[in-house]
Amino acid sequence: SSELTQDPAVSVALGQTVRITCQGDSLRSYYASWYQQKPGQAPVLVIYGKNNRPSGIPDRFSGSSSGNTASLTITGAQAEDEADYYCNSRDSSGNHLGVVFGGGTKLTVL
Amino acid sequence: QVQLQESGPGLVKPSQTLSLTCTVSGGSISSGSYYWSWIRQPAGKGLEWIGRIYTSGSTNYNPSLKSRVTISVDTSKNQFSLKLSSVTAADTAVYYCAREGLLSGYFDYWGQGTLVTVSS
Repeated sequence: SSELTQDPAVSVALGQTVRITCQGDSLRSYYASWYQQKPGQAPVLVIYGKNNRPSGIPDRFSGSSSGNTASLTITGAQAEDEADYYCNSRDSSGNHLGVVFGGGTKLTVL
Repeated sequence: QVQLQESGPGLVKPSQTLSLTCTVSGGSISSGSYYWSWIRQPAGKGLEWIGRIYTSGSTNYNPSLKSRVTISVDTSKNQFSLKLSSVTAADTAVYYCAREGLLSGYFDYWGQGTLVTVSS
């Protein structure tokens, strides 16, 4: 099956911009979705499709994609954005209805 | 507002079968626009998709778990269920149920998750 690769940890100064990336062959065929997960809580969808935010997600969250890399950008990171972030997409490696998740990126807001 | 709630035993003995149910409220599981999925997360680790079911009963499973997984749906109760057989300590995790867009592949609603521990 396909794999999605994320940096294990990223840090950002309060109020600055941070980009979290996700790489994988499946991203050449499918959009990534992004999830925020805080300790002890279920993941929350923050970006889906080309660059769509569910209702209630602040507009400082945005998504983009190029080739085999998808990115989640937080413009003006806030303390409450400190969390784990996961990407996912459909699996393109012969099992086109499968799902793959990235390993997650732990975001620290300094 | 769609809500999902997992239920089932929190402790399962090795070699036995893990059984969980997800109850959906605020929307019909028979809606043709969504899949209904199970996802798990071992402590301190990432998310792993287990499999999904469509309202028709059609299923897809993670190849790495396919031989041990069965997902079923009960539209009359607005529920879907997971059975994972021959469990080991490696199956200890928080198990989530989630709604997945049919065409989009994103998970827009999640249950709160339930911890299942495999131990004798």
